[in-house]
Amino acid sequence: GAVVSQHPSRVICKSGTSVKIECRSLDFQATTMFWYRQFPKQSLMLMATSNEGSKATYEQGVEKDKFLINHASLTLSTLTVTSAHPEDSSFYICSAPPGGETEQYFGPGTRLTVT
Amino acid sequence: QQQVKQSPQSLIVQKGGISIINCAYENTAFDYFPWYQQFPGKGPALLIAIRPDVSEKKEGRFTISFNKSAKQFSLHIMDSQPGDSATYFCAASTHTDKLIFGTGTRLQVFP
Repeated sequence: GAVVSQHPSRVICKSGTSVKIECRSLDFQATTMFWYRQFPKQSLMLMATSNEGSKATYEQGVEKDKFLINHASLTLSTLTVTSAHPEDSSFYICSAPPGGETEQYFGPGTRLTVT
Repeated sequence: QQQVKQSPQSLIVQKGGISIINCAYENTAFDYFPWYQQFPGKGPALLIAIRPDVSEKKEGRFTISFNKSAKQFSLHIMDSQPGDSATYFCAASTHTDKLIFGTGTRLQVFP
């Protein structure tokens, strides 16, 4: 099956700093990638849709200036959490459908802890 | 209308038993219904998926039953094993659109 990777798997940062999370499709090209946030024992909440070569589409209630998304190539999307605060601590997961397919494949997730 | 309701929230099954998780939706435009399995600290893994033109799909011990008129679908895990202990999410989407996830079911299979 299709493989999606994320880096880093875990990151701890101080309040007020910015953190970048990478999402890569390893064996397919993805014009669209999705970013999710998951709190402990809860479901996945879609944050935004990342579109290669154009602006991301953010879900209602998600601050686009705080969660910067860049989809610079057909295999890489990045999520930057700017001026992170403890309430941004969460599990961030990306997914991508291989071109033309409906199936979405998820990355392993990134655990962000803001101290 | 975009919600997908999932039940039960948690499920305890003995090894060898059948695990059944149910989901219901409202949006009749949904045409793709996947199930994901997630272990603690990991990303969700696609388990099995179905489209509304069939009423059942089986892959190994996992079966999806789909009732289009009732707008319901369910996951059956036959011969449940301790290794199946995980959180299961149903989801729904329209073609190439974003996934709407259910609230999740935590399955525990005891030996």
